[in-house]
Amino acid sequence: GENVEQHPSTLSVQEGDSAVIKCTYSDSASNYFPWYKQELGKGPQLIIDIRSNVGEKKDQRIAVTLNKTAKHFSLHITETQPEDSAVYFCAARNPGGTSYGKLTFGQGTILTVHP
Amino acid sequence: DAGVIQSPRHEVTEMGQEVTLRCKPISGHDYLFWYRQTMMRGLELLIYFNNNVPIDDSGMPEDRFSAKMPNASFSTLKIQPSEPRDSAVYFCASSFPGADTQYFGPGTRLTVL
Repeated sequence: GENVEQHPSTLSVQEGDSAVIKCTYSDSASNYFPWYKQELGKGPQLIIDIRSNVGEKKDQRIAVTLNKTAKHFSLHITETQPEDSAVYFCAARNPGGTSYGKLTFGQGTILTVHP
Repeated sequence: DAGVIQSPRHEVTEMGQEVTLRCKPISGHDYLFWYRQTMMRGLELLIYFNNNVPIDDSGMPEDRFSAKMPNASFSTLKIQPSEPRDSAVYFCASSFPGADTQYFGPGTRLTVL
């Protein structure tokens, strides 16, 4: 099955700095790569996603890049703010012949933005 | 619009007891997912349904776990008998027809003593 590795496990930055989180996946059939943000005591919330036919996607301060050949994708947050502090998860979806497929999540990155 | 609703939010029970977790997906969503989150194993998919039919239950850890979706508005995840290693946060998520985004509920924190 799919295996998703996420690094780093913790990341500490100063407000205004950029943060980068990287993930690798194992199954070349995976075609959808979402990123989720999870705040304490809450469920994960989608912040950005990318499909395998796109190399880069940006939404205000957040961007995701995908390298299909190397099977890795990254989350970039610019001009970080204290409210960006949370746990971030990457995921990869392998259709696996079904109508939706199965999301496999990385282990998560605890991001702390210091004022 | 209400999001995914889960109940109870917290459950403390003793080993051997039956536990039932409940989920109400967002109205109009036809996919429903059950996840388990632990420090050791992270966030893992247990089972998912499409139009109330189980599609993939390969993540269900063992026969002690069962899930049902009797109608489009309600699903249950049952653990019988429960064990301390079942302690985790259980999330339910739902997805709109044809869409990729999964919307997660607030989770149920289960503690089995």
